[in-house]
Amino acid sequence: EPEVTQTPSHQVTQMGQEVILRCVPISNHLYFYWYRQILGQKVEFLVSFYNNEISEKSEIFDDQFSVERPDGSNFTLKIRSTKLEDSAMYFCASSEAGIWFFGPGTRLTVL
Amino acid sequence: AQSVTQLDSQVPVFEEAPVELRCNYSSSVSVYLFWYVQYPNQGLQLLLKYLSGSTLVKGINGFEAEFNKSQTSFHLRKPSVHISDTAEYFCAVSPHPGRRALTFGSGTRLQVQP
Repeated sequence: EPEVTQTPSHQVTQMGQEVILRCVPISNHLYFYWYRQILGQKVEFLVSFYNNEISEKSEIFDDQFSVERPDGSNFTLKIRSTKLEDSAMYFCASSEAGIWFFGPGTRLTVL
Repeated sequence: AQSVTQLDSQVPVFEEAPVELRCNYSSSVSVYLFWYVQYPNQGLQLLLKYLSGSTLVKGINGFEAEFNKSQTSFHLRKPSVHISDTAEYFCAVSPHPGRRALTFGSGTRLQVQP
């Protein structure tokens, strides 16, 4: 069964450093998403991406965040200068036929 | 904008007992409704969805949910739970299935005790 994959599973970084989280959506899906979940809190929407551009973003998705689909398979989330409060689980998702499929997540720890 | 309220942050229940996890939503437009489950240290897995048609929807692992438009609710039920159902359960809504962002509730931790 096709699935969304994410790498790395765990990323530790120093405050102020740049990180890139990677995702491989399901191959025939057209809509891609990033969500995050701060420990013990709800899952929050960050951004959606369609046809090589951002289609929707939340207020969380400020200038320090960016997304890219550098090739036909990868979908990345870049955080330019990480802050302590960026520590969270980041989930990638892709959708088709009204259903979102989530990846296993990347746990980002900012020290 | 949409919002989702899961009134119960934790629900302890004994094995083989029935359970209901409550979800209420608020929206100015029609929405589509979902329940996701998150097992410890894992990602989000779709349990069931309501897009249209019958208001009673059945999902995986014996779960079902009923969409009640007048009460703006989408409560999740299972007649007999197992230890393996211990997990976090999230209700979510979207104004358009598959194209717009999902809005999640805060989650309900189901703790099944032997």
